[in-house]
Amino acid sequence: KAGVTQTPRYLIKTRGQQVTLSCSPISGHRSVSWYQQTPGQGLQFLFEYFSETQRNKGNFPGRFSGRQFSNSRSEMNVSTLELGDSALYLCASSLFGAGSNEKLFFGSGTQLSVL
Amino acid sequence: GDSVTQMEGPVTLSEEACLTINCTYTATGYPSLFWYVQYPGEGLQLLLKATKADDKGSNKGFEATYRKETTSFHLEKGSVQVSDSAVYFCALSDLNNAGNMLTFGGGTRLMVKP
Repeated sequence: KAGVTQTPRYLIKTRGQQVTLSCSPISGHRSVSWYQQTPGQGLQFLFEYFSETQRNKGNFPGRFSGRQFSNSRSEMNVSTLELGDSALYLCASSLFGAGSNEKLFFGSGTQLSVL
Repeated sequence: GDSVTQMEGPVTLSEEACLTINCTYTATGYPSLFWYVQYPGEGLQLLLKATKADDKGSNKGFEATYRKETTSFHLEKGSVQVSDSAVYFCALSDLNNAGNMLTFGGGTRLMVKP
């Protein structure tokens, strides 16, 4: 069974550009969450999608957005990139996303560098 | 809001030494508690979890007990191996939140020397 797949693995952009990251969850999983990991702030929750609807959102500016497709694949977009957006972006999937007892499966992440 | 505090690393141990990584939390509701591990170049993997007070989570020789009175969830292992070298994250999920929003601690890097 394939794991959570994130593409691309590495990305280099310049300030002001926009970027789209992709996440394919484990087959059958309907919940996809996104996290930002930086050395200074650690792991921070961005948003969660379930059945194409955003269910939770973290404390990030509107430049960060996402969506989920009918096949549960998800994309996140960051517009007008800033240097501080350089981070490892992790995607996690689970079957239903409801409640706190469900195991999350994480992808290897997309390493974004903003120059 | 919810928060998780864990000891700063790196923690450097010799093989077969005992490990304790401290984790304390603040939550308004009744959280579930988790330990995740991140190996170099990889995403996070669930190591163990506990969903209510006094529960003990265990996996691969690691253990952690949910202590409501001290709001703690310390990770322990009796004898570490070189292969345990990784970054360990303590996290909580508040039942008041619908969905899978985890609040993570800052992570503790463990280095085990042969």
